[in-house]
Amino acid sequence: NAGVTQTPKFQVLKTGQSMTLQCAQDMNHNSMYWYRQDPGMGLRLIYYSASEGTTDKGEVPNGYNVSRLNKREFSLRLESAAPSQTSVYFCASTQRRGEAEAFFGQGTRLTVV
Amino acid sequence: AQSVSQHNHHVILSEAASLELGCNYSYGGTVNLFWYVQYPGQHLQLLLKYFSGDPLVKGIKGFEAEFIKSKFSFNLRKPSVQWSDTAEYFCAVNDRYRDDKIIFGKGTRLHILP
Repeated sequence: NAGVTQTPKFQVLKTGQSMTLQCAQDMNHNSMYWYRQDPGMGLRLIYYSASEGTTDKGEVPNGYNVSRLNKREFSLRLESAAPSQTSVYFCASTQRRGEAEAFFGQGTRLTVV
Repeated sequence: AQSVSQHNHHVILSEAASLELGCNYSYGGTVNLFWYVQYPGQHLQLLLKYFSGDPLVKGIKGFEAEFIKSKFSFNLRKPSVQWSDTAEYFCAVNDRYRDDKIIFGKGTRLHILP
């Protein structure tokens, strides 16, 4: 059982380049999330998707776009990467609204130079 | 807006010492509460959770937490820590009925001296 799978695990981008972070879950979960983790800042919610076809902004959405491709997949896109987007990105999923905890992927370490 | 405050940013303890990490949240609705742990170089793993019922919840590895509704608190405790508890600990809150956002605190980095 793979759980939540993120690709890639590491990435280096030049300022202005674009890229898409991929996330897939095989637990039939409804809700999916993208967080960024920075030292001393904890995890900050970028975007989330309560169900297939819906997405909502989180705490720090600027500079990012998301797509909920289907129930399994939720991608995060950086259209024009900036050094301030250097971070570790985590994808997570939960079964449903209500009594449910989040399961996390292994993370993507992104460096923008 | 929901927010989560963790009072201790960095805690250093010796093995066998007792641990208490503070967590307060600001939201008046019906909440789910979580503690997650992140070991060095790894992703977040659930330590324990509170949904309803007994406000004292027990998690993995001897951890427990107490939900005090009047204080909007959900503090994490362990009677006797081990070197292997060295990790970063995150408190998180989720509105059970309003939306699906899960908001995290800034984390507490715990370092256990052997």
